[in-house]
Amino acid sequence: KAGVTQTPRYLIKTRGQQVTLSCSPISGHRSVSWYQQTPGQGLQFLFEYFSETQRNKGNFPGRFSGRQFSNSRSEMNVSTLELGDSALYLCASSLAPGVAGGNEQFFGPGTRLTVL
Amino acid sequence: DQQVKQNSPSLSVQEGRISILNCDYTNSMFDYFLWYKKYPAEGPTFLISISSIKDKNEDGRFTVFLNKSAKHLSLHIVPSQPGDSAVYFCAAYQAGTALIFGKGTTLSVSS
Repeated sequence: KAGVTQTPRYLIKTRGQQVTLSCSPISGHRSVSWYQQTPGQGLQFLFEYFSETQRNKGNFPGRFSGRQFSNSRSEMNVSTLELGDSALYLCASSLAPGVAGGNEQFFGPGTRLTVL
Repeated sequence: DQQVKQNSPSLSVQEGRISILNCDYTNSMFDYFLWYKKYPAEGPTFLISISSIKDKNEDGRFTVFLNKSAKHLSLHIVPSQPGDSAVYFCAAYQAGTALIFGKGTTLSVSS
């Protein structure tokens, strides 16, 4: 069974540009969550989607947005990039929302975004 | 305000000894706690979890202890192996909300 895949793996953008990152969950998984990892802040939650609906949203500005498609694939978009957006963006998938009761989240390898 | 704190950025242990990684939390409504391990260039991997109604969960060399009165949990790795060298993240969950991670502790196990 293929794991969570994220594309692209590496990305370099300049300030003011926008970027779209893609995540394909494990087959059969309908919940997708996005996280931002930076050296100083650890993993910070961005969004959670289930059945094309956003269930939870983290404390990020409106420049960060996401969506989920009917095949459970998800994209996140960051507009008007800032230097501080440089980070590893991780996607995780699970059968259902949340993590209790053995509903494990499986993470992809991440997309490394560098903003110059 | 950080709800999940890992106050030790790094920990060095000799092979065969015990590694103890600590985590504190502030939200008493958390009902599930998890530990993840992360190697460079890979996403985090689930390691072990514990429900708030328990105080201990064991899986092979890994044991997680939960002290609800102190709002503290710890991960014990016995015996530590060089392959355990990684970043360990503590995470907490409240039903209906998102998973909250600590900033991580880098464990180095020397042979």
